Amino acid sequence: DTAVSQTPKYLVTQMGNDKSIKCEQNLGHDTMYWYKQDSKKFLKIMFSYNNKELIINETVPNRFSPKSPDKAHLNLHINSLELGDSAVYFCASSLRDMNTEAFFGQGTRLTVV
Amino acid sequence: GDSVTQMEGPVTLSEEAFLTINCTYTATGYPSLFWYVQYPGEGLQLLLKATKADDKGSNKGFEATYRKETTSFHLEKGSVQVSDSAVYFCALSDPSNAGNMLTFGGGTRLMVKP
Repeated sequence: DTAVSQTPKYLVTQMGNDKSIKCEQNLGHDTMYWYKQDSKKFLKIMFSYNNKELIINETVPNRFSPKSPDKAHLNLHINSLELGDSAVYFCASSLRDMNTEAFFGQGTRLTVV
Repeated sequence: GDSVTQMEGPVTLSEEAFLTINCTYTATGYPSLFWYVQYPGEGLQLLLKATKADDKGSNKGFEATYRKETTSFHLEKGSVQVSDSAVYFCALSDPSNAGNMLTFGGGTRLMVKP
């Protein structure tokens, strides 16, 4: 049973396109996240979302938008893709308690050409 | 803002050697501290955590102690194995930040040779 699953695992697309990455968790968690990992392995939070509030990292361009149809899903939409968006994107989930661990998906490697 | 600093890699060790990966942090609030591990081609997995000063987190032979006075959370293992080869991330969660988000260090790649 996969706890946090994301699709697709690999995504290659051209500049200017719009794409989505899907994420689902079956852990019953109330908070989901998107993180970006760059080519040097540095991880940075993009969004934190539960059914009450969306927290956006102020450095994230507004071309990126999370969409949550229900508590178990948090999809990432990216408009007008740029070369610099190439990275590995990780979805994660946790309970809202800061002391609990976050569970991560396997990542989506996005390559913009 | 919050930040986590960890030693740059790669760290290359022979099997059964002693491992230390240094991690220091700055935080506005009183954070919880974590070590995550990323094996090749996979997502991150929690390795261990500590939620208050002087707590020691441990798992799979790894351990780290929450040192508030030195704002550190160094990872140690007495005898590494080839299977420990991975990237290790130190992270914190700060209650003064909304959203329960993790702030990560830059990661340290560990390579263990037979």
